[in-house]
This record gives sequence, C-alpha cells and structure tokens, in this order.
Amino acid sequence: NAGVMQNPRHLVRRRGQEARLRCSPMKGHSHVYWYRQLPEEGLKFMVYLQKENIIDESGMPKERFSAEFPKEGPSILRIQQVVRGDSAAYFCASSPPPGLTNTEAFFGQGTRLTVV
Amino acid sequence: GESVGLHLPTLSVQEGDNSIINCAYSNSASDYFIWYKQESGKGPQFIIDIRSNMDKRQGQRVTVLLNKTVKHLSLQIAATQPGDSAVYFCAERASGTYKYIFGTGTRLKVLA
Repeated sequence: NAGVMQNPRHLVRRRGQEARLRCSPMKGHSHVYWYRQLPEEGLKFMVYLQKENIIDESGMPKERFSAEFPKEGPSILRIQQVVRGDSAAYFCASSPPPGLTNTEAFFGQGTRLTVV
Repeated sequence: GESVGLHLPTLSVQEGDNSIINCAYSNSASDYFIWYKQESGKGPQFIIDIRSNMDKRQGQRVTVLLNKTVKHLSLQIAATQPGDSAVYFCAERASGTYKYIFGTGTRLKVLA
C-alpha cells in the first residue's frame, strides 16, 4: 500500500509563472489536506478537500491559490502568478472518511517550491 | 493555535536517556491529538495519537500524556536513540472539524 505520493518533489518557478502541485492520497483515503511549511516553522493549514468538494479552505490565501480533488486523479494545489513569498514546502496529507475509528492523517514527502 | 514564526526550541538529550517533549494546545474543544516526527527534508511521520477520553497511551518506546485541565500534551521517548533526532510536532483536531492545527515544534538532538 503506497503512502501519500506528492510530485514533483522540487519545483522551481520564475516570478509570475504558475505552480501545480500534485497529491495522490493513500489507497482508501477520500480526504486530502494541504499544508504549507516555511523553514524552521510548523505546518500551517491551507485547505481540506474530499472528492469533488472543498470542505474547509479557511487557510487559503484569497487570491492566486486554488485547490481541487477531482473524482478521478490526484488533488492539485495551484498557485498562479507566483511570488518569492510563495517559496515553501507544501505538504499533502490524506485520511479515511471521518467517523471511522482511526482517522489520523498521513503525510507525503512534500513539494519544495522555489520561486526565483 | 497556529504556529508562529519562532525559532524552534531545541531539546538535547544524551543517547540512552529518556526524552520528554511538551506541547500546549489552544482549543479546549479539541478531542483528538497526534504526535508527528519530521526528519530533515521529509514529511511528518505519525508516531502516536490519543483521544480526549484518555489521559495516557503507550506505544513502542513512546508514551503520550494528555492533561485536559491545563491543555497540555507530552511525548515521552524511552531510551532515546540517534535515529530519534528530528523535529516533533503535536497536532490537535477540534470536535466536529477535520482540520489539524500544528504546534510550533521541538527539535530533539540526541548526543552520542
């Protein structure tokens, strides 16, 4: 059972370009979280999604950032017109549907975005 | 609450000694807690969890203690090994929500 898969592991974008980060959840997990981490800091919640539905996007910047989790395929975190301040590690986590006994979230290895 | 831009506190422990990492959580409505370990360049790795109806839970070499009165969580690592060197985060989830809120994190350094 593969874990949470994120790609790419490293992404370099010039200012103004778009960044697309992909996340495939663990098998059987229907819920995905995206977190952002700056060096030497904790993880900050961005968005929580289930298939075809955004549950909680309270941590998402109002502009340039969007996320989706289509019926088929990975979850995508999209950052348009990137700026240097977007440089960070972006982590995806997945969990089973809530209500089950074990609902811990498992994390991928992250995508390290560098904006130059 | 959400972690802020502070330098990570560091705990240095001699190899073989026990480690205790502490975490203060913010929301009295939180009912589920997880400790994660994050090694350099990697994603957080689940260590152990505890629900609010418990005050102690043990795993292999690790124990989590929950004190709801003072909103405090601790992770105890027995016989600390060099491979335990990492940053440790606690995460809380409030009842009725699905969002995990992470603490600031503590860097554990194991001295040979």
